[in-house]
Amino acid sequence: AQSVTQLGSHVSVSEGALVLLRCNYSSSVPPYLFWYVQYPNQGLQLLLKYTSAATLVKGINGFEAEFKKSETSFHLTKPSAHMSDAAEYFCAVSEEGGSEKLVFGKGTKLTVNP
Amino acid sequence: DTAVSQTPKYLVTQMGNDKSIKCEQNLGHDTMYWYKQDSKKFLKIMFSYNNKELIINETVPNRFSPKSPDKAHLNLHINSLELGDSAVYFCATKGARGYTFGSGTRLTVV
Repeated sequence: AQSVTQLGSHVSVSEGALVLLRCNYSSSVPPYLFWYVQYPNQGLQLLLKYTSAATLVKGINGFEAEFKKSETSFHLTKPSAHMSDAAEYFCAVSEEGGSEKLVFGKGTKLTVNP
Repeated sequence: DTAVSQTPKYLVTQMGNDKSIKCEQNLGHDTMYWYKQDSKKFLKIMFSYNNKELIINETVPNRFSPKSPDKAHLNLHINSLELGDSAVYFCATKGARGYTFGSGTRLTVV
């Protein structure tokens, strides 16, 4: 069964600093990987997804993530944090051809300090 | 025009009541899901339907009963509500481009 581990339930950065949110996955078949963002009292918005094409995936709002099979990782980065990036971030995995359900990590709350 | 819409957005009800949450999608996707987000923000799948047929039931109490009258709708009925059912419930669909989530229904049981 697939699973996702997000290291760090809370990450705090200064405005303009690098954002790094960690995600490691476990999957018995080649995975599809996703990052979602959730702003307070709102739904889930897709930031980016990896579907076995390019290992470096660019998403919305300047975020990107790199799929590293050898490390079973899919860390999310942004070169320069903005105050509006403060939100909860979820990494998720699905197995295409299987049940196709999304399995989420426990989330990382990103705080951006002025 | 909202792709995945849920009603109601907020629901406050007493323990023991029966309530329903509705989900409608206009994306033409075959697969629909219900997810539960608890107070610690953890998201867990509850059910999945493909073309009106139940394909995933993740050990959810049988007080929860999903119903899909047609491919565009997946409703969630909850009997005998308990305090622990308080959560945000998200409907989602899956198409060729990926998953689309509704904005959620915040259920509070008092």
